Amino acid sequence: KQEVTQIPAALSVPEGENLVLNCSFTDSAIYNLQWFRQDPGKGLTSLLLIQSSQREQTSGRLNASLDKSSGRSTLYIAASQPGDSATYLCAVRPNTGNQFYFGTGTSLTVIP
Amino acid sequence: GAGVSQTPSNKVTEKGKYVELRCDPISGHTALYWYRQSLGQGPEFLIYFQGTGAADDSGLPNDRFFAVRPEGSVSTLKIQRTERGDSAVYLCASSSVAFSEQFFGPGTRLTVL
Repeated sequence: KQEVTQIPAALSVPEGENLVLNCSFTDSAIYNLQWFRQDPGKGLTSLLLIQSSQREQTSGRLNASLDKSSGRSTLYIAASQPGDSATYLCAVRPNTGNQFYFGTGTSLTVIP
Repeated sequence: GAGVSQTPSNKVTEKGKYVELRCDPISGHTALYWYRQSLGQGPEFLIYFQGTGAADDSGLPNDRFFAVRPEGSVSTLKIQRTERGDSAVYLCASSSVAFSEQFFGPGTRLTVL
């Protein structure tokens, strides 16, 4: 069974800082990986989807990288803003089976 | 529709009662997923539909849980004889084709007293 880990569980940074969130997975045979943000009491908002053949994806101030061989993905947020405060989750879909496996998330607070 | 919608947004019920949770996916999306999220945890897979059929229900915790998608669009998650441990946020997601980018609804918060 795929295990997905996100470290740190919580992160607090001053506004304007660049930061990196980490996602690790135990089985490198993945189909794709998706990053989400979740605001308190809300559903998940899709940020980026990386296919297994890709190394990175970019959207605005966000950049997600994927290293399948080491079982890692990172989400880079440039010039953080208070509005970026949320929980960030990664989800992995293995090559076999129909399940997506989620990490427990990193709770980000950007201090004005 | 503009996005995935779920109703009700909140449901409070008593132990032993039956509940139904509804999901309206994005129009034209063939794949639909149900997840359950407990406080401080990531979503946990329950069931996946491709069209009208449940392609994978291996995440359903027991036979009190059942889901349908009779016309390949709206889906209903049904929970019989609810227990306090069923309390969680139930999330629905859809994607245009299987395992492409998932889009989530706002969830239904179920509380079993």
